[in-house]
Amino acid sequence: ELKVEQNPLFLSMQEGKNYTIYCNYSTTSDRLYWYRQDPGKSLESLFVLLSNGAVKQEGRLMASLDTKARLSTLHITAAVHDLSATYFCAVDITNDMRFGAGTRLTVKP
Amino acid sequence: NAGVTQTPKFQVLKTGQSMTLQCAQDMNHNSMYWYRQDPGMGLRLIYYSASEGTTDKGEVPNGYNVSRLNKREFSLRLESAAPSQTSVYFCASSEWGGPNYGYTFGSGTRLTVV
Repeated sequence: ELKVEQNPLFLSMQEGKNYTIYCNYSTTSDRLYWYRQDPGKSLESLFVLLSNGAVKQEGRLMASLDTKARLSTLHITAAVHDLSATYFCAVDITNDMRFGAGTRLTVKP
Repeated sequence: NAGVTQTPKFQVLKTGQSMTLQCAQDMNHNSMYWYRQDPGMGLRLIYYSASEGTTDKGEVPNGYNVSRLNKREFSLRLESAAPSQTSVYFCASSEWGGPNYGYTFGSGTRLTVV
């Protein structure tokens, strides 16, 4: 059974600091997603990673995928308050997308 | 750009009542999905429809039924609501190939069963 584990589940950061969120999964997959969710809102797609070694960057966020290690990372550079949200990774195996529990990120001044 | 539209946005039901959550997408996607989100957890797949005319169970299908009415619409029905079905429900659609892939989510339906 596919399991997706994120850590940490809670993250409090100072503005300007760097940090990495980790996503491990248990079954081979070539599709890994990162989503952002603000309180009371829907999920916003951040990145879709489709192959081993894929790296994508948008602003202060960078995501990477290592399919051999079954690991994806979401790196935050020089955090700002606007990045406060819950971040989910999800792994897709043919119409069955499994989500991690989410990382609740709080960026403090 | 409507994307994925869900109705209603909020609903309170009494135990044993029934209701249908509606979902429609205007992106001509083949696949549609229903997820539920509980506090402290990621989304869990209830049912999906890979194409018009087909539906399949996901991770947590018990207590739910679905209908893929046409390519645009995918509804979720609770026949006899239970407090354990209190959750936020998200509909999503997806398409693969070309420049457009990945999932698009609706804004969610917050359901409380008392």
